[in-house]
Amino acid sequence: AQSVTQLGSHVSVSEGALVLLRCNYSSSVPPYLFWYVQYPNQGLQLLLKYTSAATLVKGINGFEAEFKKSETSFHLTKPSAHMSDAAEYFCAVGSYNFNKFYFGSGTKLNVKP
Amino acid sequence: GAVVSQHPSRVICKSGTSVKIECRSLDFQATTMFWYRQFPKQSLMLMATSNEGSKATYEQGVEKDKFLINHASLTLSTLTVTSAHPEDSSFYICSAHDRSGNTIYFGEGSWLTVV
Repeated sequence: AQSVTQLGSHVSVSEGALVLLRCNYSSSVPPYLFWYVQYPNQGLQLLLKYTSAATLVKGINGFEAEFKKSETSFHLTKPSAHMSDAAEYFCAVGSYNFNKFYFGSGTKLNVKP
Repeated sequence: GAVVSQHPSRVICKSGTSVKIECRSLDFQATTMFWYRQFPKQSLMLMATSNEGSKATYEQGVEKDKFLINHASLTLSTLTVTSAHPEDSSFYICSAHDRSGNTIYFGEGSWLTVV
């Protein structure tokens, strides 16, 4: 069975500061891991994904995430926050055959000017 | 890139009626689609996994007779909320698995309001 835990329901950073959104997973088999962003009243946009290739994954809008098996983590980072990054971010885990796909509880990112 | 289209984006229906939401993968074939429900300020709750040509697999606590899912083709899955009640009002989102890229793409979501 898979599950995802996102630490911190709200994260606030200053514009230009480092963004770090935490995601830990549990899975009995090597998982597929994803980060999605959701703007208010909209659907989800894929930021990046890990599917057993390179452990450091680069995504859109300057985001990247590193898969660390020993820590069962897939934290999302961005070196310098922009006001437009303010949104809700969801980490998700899928089984190898994608018959299940679960989301974390989400982290709302606030960017202060 | 791959696109998933969800329709309608907003629907208002009367209590007791049924409403159908469509989810289409526009440029890839999706043998697996997922349906989620999202309450305000909460995460997405997986309702069911829809597999083309077979019955959907429902998550625990989701009434399969109330939330009918049909995945009759490789590009279309539908969710029908039957005998809708105000507590069914929510944001429903579908997603589709693109096997070629091993990625899940999401529709824009559908706001359902039952009055």
